[in-house]
Amino acid sequence: NAGVTQTPKFRVLKTGQSMTLLCAQDMNHEYMYWYRQDPGMGLRLIHYSVGEGTTAKGEVPDGYNVSRLKKQNFLLGLESAAPSQTSVYFCASSLTPAGQFFGPGTRLTVL
Amino acid sequence: AQSVTQLGSHVSVSEGALVLLRCNYSSSVPPYLFWYVQYPNQGLQLLLKYTSAATLVKGINGFEAEFKKSETSFHLTKPSAHMSDAAEYFCAVTHVQSSASKIIFGSGTRLSIRP
Repeated sequence: NAGVTQTPKFRVLKTGQSMTLLCAQDMNHEYMYWYRQDPGMGLRLIHYSVGEGTTAKGEVPDGYNVSRLKKQNFLLGLESAAPSQTSVYFCASSLTPAGQFFGPGTRLTVL
Repeated sequence: AQSVTQLGSHVSVSEGALVLLRCNYSSSVPPYLFWYVQYPNQGLQLLLKYTSAATLVKGINGFEAEFKKSETSFHLTKPSAHMSDAAEYFCAVTHVQSSASKIIFGSGTRLSIRP
């Protein structure tokens, strides 16, 4: 039981490049989330999903897209990366909105 | 609307001393409250949660928190700090009828332990 895994762990992009972050969970959770963490700001919700095939915007969705084609996977895409998207990205999953399990994070730097 | 305020972005205590991390919340409906811990270069791990049962909640690693409705607080305590407790701690709030987007995290408190 791996819990929540994230790929890759680190990435450096140039402004304007695109990339996809992969989140996978093996706990059969319905809910999945993408957060970004910046110093002194806690975690801010980017997008979330309440089940396979569904997605919804969170607090800071601009510049990101997501897809949930399979229940166990939640992808976060950056179509044209900007330096303001330099951050640590965390994926989480849960059975209900309460009590989320977090992945180890992806550290992204945009130059 | 819900919100969480963590008092003190950095707390330093001596090994063996009491740990007290403060969290105040605002919620118009009965809340669910959580404490998460984040060790360096890792994700967040759930320490404990309050979901309207006992007001004193015990979590992992000897931590506990008490829900005080009259004070709108959910402070985290540990009687005796250990060096391994050095980490960042996040308080979070939601409520039972919340949609998935309504989980609000505080800005975090970094706990340092002095030898």
